[in-house]
Amino acid sequence: DGGITQSPKYLFRKEGQNVTLSCEQNLNHDAMYWYRQDPGQGLRLIYYSQIVNDFQKGDIAEGYSVSREKKESFPLTVTSAQKNPTAFYLCASRRPRQTYGYTFGSGTRLTVV
Amino acid sequence: AQSVTQLGSHVSVSEGALVLLRCNYSSSVPPYLFWYVQYPNQGLQLLLKYTSAATLVKGINGFEAEFKKSETSFHLTKPSAHMSDAAEYFCAPLGVNYGQNFVFGPGTRLSVLP
Repeated sequence: DGGITQSPKYLFRKEGQNVTLSCEQNLNHDAMYWYRQDPGQGLRLIYYSQIVNDFQKGDIAEGYSVSREKKESFPLTVTSAQKNPTAFYLCASRRPRQTYGYTFGSGTRLTVV
Repeated sequence: AQSVTQLGSHVSVSEGALVLLRCNYSSSVPPYLFWYVQYPNQGLQLLLKYTSAATLVKGINGFEAEFKKSETSFHLTKPSAHMSDAAEYFCAPLGVNYGQNFVFGPGTRLSVLP
């Protein structure tokens, strides 16, 4: 079955470390997204990519970086510049037409220790 | 910026009772409207969507929503709540005045009491 795979499910980061969250999709979707979710809040857009080798900043891009070298993959790196990285991170993808909505992965919970 | 309002950050119902989760949009041009559900520690799952076709939309797990332009609303309902419906629910717009990417509000947490 097609879908989005996020790994790992749980991730622990020490202060000052960079960590990379994986997102892979086999849905042949062009657009991919990264959202951050904090307790009691909605989802906030970090980065998105409409096509390979192109991506745009979302509302809270500071302290994060992404790449889109392949259509299937959209990894997110949480850098040491992100001062409060503990959160639930969600990856999503979508076909070009807006009427299709997003397909989400199952998320990665990142905790700073 | 246009907004979507979900009235009530937390709704509690008894098992078997009617579920009503409210969503109102503010744009003069109706957007596409989506309802998503999120179970604990999981991603979001599409429940149903309004894309300017039928105004009464049926989704998964017995949920449905009716688009009412006169009330600028797209409320989510289910006739009889089940314990498994306990989750977070998000109403999200797309389209004119809302942009090409989803903007999610804080959602509504549904609790189902035995």
